[in-house]
Amino acid sequence: RKEVEQDPGPFNVPEGATVAFNCTYSNSASQSFFWYRQDCRKEPKLLMSVYSSGNEDGRFTAQLNRASQYISLLIRDSKLSDSATYLCVVNFNTGGFKTIFGAGTRLFVKA
Amino acid sequence: DAGVIQSPRHEVTEMGQEVTLRCKPISGHDYLFWYRQTMMRGLELLIYFNNNVPIDDSGMPEDRFSAKMPNASFSTLKIQPSEPRDSAVYFCASSPEGGFTEAFFGQGTRLTVV
Repeated sequence: RKEVEQDPGPFNVPEGATVAFNCTYSNSASQSFFWYRQDCRKEPKLLMSVYSSGNEDGRFTAQLNRASQYISLLIRDSKLSDSATYLCVVNFNTGGFKTIFGAGTRLFVKA
Repeated sequence: DAGVIQSPRHEVTEMGQEVTLRCKPISGHDYLFWYRQTMMRGLELLIYFNNNVPIDDSGMPEDRFSAKMPNASFSTLKIQPSEPRDSAVYFCASSPEGGFTEAFFGQGTRLTVV
């Protein structure tokens, strides 16, 4: 089993739709969580951190479920510009830390 | 700040040749990471440094790969000898507080080994 798993998609949605991605992780000692966005042939960029209490940034909502070991990303009112690959990131403490990126979920938003 | 700067942006080399990728992190960031991204394996952490010291190189695929950070503003990733399966995009990233804060990525080096 991979340490971090994501549904690769692609998700094809119309503009204005709501779409949700999940990411599961296997290490219960995982301590910090992020969602990154990567556009085609570009570098990953931080979209948002994921806090235990959940957090919201405009149309984006991220949640953490430690009991079930998954994080989620909800995008409301999808825009064409939301088309990208969304990567979940999990960090856990190993004395130092270990960072694992999920393989990414591709999203296509169509007019 | 100009962000994380990587060079070259593209590299095409023949199998067996030495390849050196370069990275300048954001000033003041204590952590530097080297990643490799391929379609098959996604984004993989190869090695990271804290205050110029290599902390975890467990992701380095083979002895053909080596990384150095001689000072806080420069790091290299070297592949010697290169092989076609090393073809990938190599990203350098830096962060102020390791894995628990945002990592800022460079634009990457697209390496093709023929």
